[in-house]
Amino acid sequence: DTEVTQTPKHLVMGMTNKKSLKCEQHMGHRAMYWYKQKAKKPPELMFVYSYEKLSINESVPSRFSPECPNSSLLNLHLHALQPEDSALYLCASSQPRGTDAIEGKEAFFGQGTRLTVV
Amino acid sequence: AQTVTQSQPEMSVQEAETVTLSCTYDTSESDYYLFWYKQPPSRQMILVIRQEAYKQQNATENRFSVNFQKAAKSFSLKISDSQLGDAAMYFCAARGTSGSRLTFGEGTQLTVNP
Repeated sequence: DTEVTQTPKHLVMGMTNKKSLKCEQHMGHRAMYWYKQKAKKPPELMFVYSYEKLSINESVPSRFSPECPNSSLLNLHLHALQPEDSALYLCASSQPRGTDAIEGKEAFFGQGTRLTVV
Repeated sequence: AQTVTQSQPEMSVQEAETVTLSCTYDTSESDYYLFWYKQPPSRQMILVIRQEAYKQQNATENRFSVNFQKAAKSFSLKISDSQLGDAAMYFCAARGTSGSRLTFGEGTQLTVNP
């Protein structure tokens, strides 16, 4: 299984709503990522979890709250978002640093959640 | 930390022809990995090819090959016998061995003309 599964595929939410994005992988990867991508731009790193611990937070506003309940799951909790937060949110997984095998060094990406904030 | 630069925002190629996408990078790490990803309109980010920096031999995957020039910090992607399904945004990316951060270039939008 080389898939990263993201749900939902599309999400429309109001600025006062609370919603969550979910990501799941069963490749045994111990690094998981959230990226934000605007149209025709590269993905921007938001968070990295390594061995279920938050290792990188790219100064993301607190209205985005990541959670890694176990090694296979990654959530992104959303609250009080702004219209400019509308984007494609990509989840990815890979092997973290210190792993010898090249396989899994690359990040495997999910299909993303297209988020629209109204 | 890494920086990745793609200087061609758009490229086009005729079906069955060959096209080369450029990428340069900079890194403070002595060992690192380089990747080309493809993102079609379906949005799925798909790995095209990967290169370990300590390997001098250029990576090849079917119609896709790279020209890795370590001294020049250049990592170009050659697509041979271009197909309509190759049309996509292509991102060059780099990752050091000391961390999990994957750094992307700005991307090159490839159009394949029939």
